[in-house]
Amino acid sequence: KAGVTQTPRYLIKTRGQQVTLSCSPISGHRSVSWYQQTPGQGLQFLFEYFSETQRNKGNFPGRFSGRQFSNSRSEMNVSTLELGDSALYLCASSFLAGGHNEQFFGPGTRLTVL
Amino acid sequence: EDKVVQSPLSLVVHEGDTVTLNCSYEVTNFRSLLWYKQEKKAPTFLFMLTSSGIEKKSGRLSSILDKKELFSILNITATQTGDSAIYLCAVAGGTSYGKLTFGQGTILTVHP
Repeated sequence: KAGVTQTPRYLIKTRGQQVTLSCSPISGHRSVSWYQQTPGQGLQFLFEYFSETQRNKGNFPGRFSGRQFSNSRSEMNVSTLELGDSALYLCASSFLAGGHNEQFFGPGTRLTVL
Repeated sequence: EDKVVQSPLSLVVHEGDTVTLNCSYEVTNFRSLLWYKQEKKAPTFLFMLTSSGIEKKSGRLSSILDKKELFSILNITATQTGDSAIYLCAVAGGTSYGKLTFGQGTILTVHP
């Protein structure tokens, strides 16, 4: 069974631009969660989608948004990029929502904002 | 606010040693505790412990959850250089759904 895939793997943008990241979950998984990982803050939860609905959102500004499609693929968008948005963005998929089962991570998208 | 604290933050051992990594948590409506291993890439899943499964073992790795004292340990016996990685502890709970609250991680370095 194929794992979680994320595209693109690397991205370089400049301040003020916007970016869209994509995540395809493991086949059959309906929950997709997004995390930001930085050396200073570690792994921080952004949001979770289940059956095309956002179930929960972390403490990030409104510039961070996402959506999920009927095939469970998810996209995350960051508008008006800031230098501090440079990070590894990870998505994780699970069969069920609610933290009742394992979350499996994709390889991540490394975003650099110049 | 949910909180997960791991200790030690870093550990250096030699091949063959046994290590114990600690994870304590404060979370309402606890659902599960998960351990991940992260090398130079995304975290890979190791164990999930819930109220119905408080001890897990896989090869040289084992983990125990103490729900009364709100902590978990990850043991690695007969360590190998390939065990060098960051070990992350995460907890799911509260009113959140898929949200995992992660600890800072323990950086394990195994020397030959």
